[in-house]
Amino acid sequence: AQSVSQHNHHVILSEAASLELGCNYSYGGTVNLFWYVQYPGQHLQLLLKYFSGDPLVKGIKGFEAEFIKSKFSFNLRKPSVQWSDTAEYFCAVNTGANNLFFGTGTRLTVIP
Amino acid sequence: SAVISQKPSRDICQRGTSLTIQCQVDSQVTMMFWYRQQPGQSLTLIATANQGSEATYESGFVIDKFPISRPNLTFSTLTVSNMSPEDSSIYLCSVDRREGSYEQYFGPGTRLTVT
Repeated sequence: AQSVSQHNHHVILSEAASLELGCNYSYGGTVNLFWYVQYPGQHLQLLLKYFSGDPLVKGIKGFEAEFIKSKFSFNLRKPSVQWSDTAEYFCAVNTGANNLFFGTGTRLTVIP
Repeated sequence: SAVISQKPSRDICQRGTSLTIQCQVDSQVTMMFWYRQQPGQSLTLIATANQGSEATYESGFVIDKFPISRPNLTFSTLTVSNMSPEDSSIYLCSVDRREGSYEQYFGPGTRLTVT
């Protein structure tokens, strides 16, 4: 069965620090990859996505993610985090059907 | 984008009772999805609901426990039946950004606590 692993459960950073959140999935076929973010008190919203093409994708608010097929990974990065990036981040994988498989989420706390 | 609302936003229910959660979308959509997020765990798809047909349930979820209605293209309900404390979760509905896009918009969720 497909699975998505997010190894960092809670990350605490100071403002301006660089961020990298890990995401690995287990599925041997073609995948569509997503990062969703949930800010405190708000809905889940899409941060960025990868379907095909350039494996380095850019999303909103300065986030980017790199798809490394050989490592089954889709790590999220941001060079300099802000206090407003405090949120929970979910990696998700779609394998062509209409559902999404989610990781358990990583809670990011940015200290001003 | 799609604006999705859910009712109720939260509820505390007694064991053995049932709760119906409503999901309303501000535009017509073909597919609606219901997810569960148990404490400390990831979102898990319960079922996919197409208007005019029976919902398709994922492994581990059955219609008797989670009956779903989809009477039109903007509305769906999920009922959690004969609840037990293990059903305490956040229940979310979502819709495809556009048909076949695999991008989903999510509602705010319904936080259910079963005592």
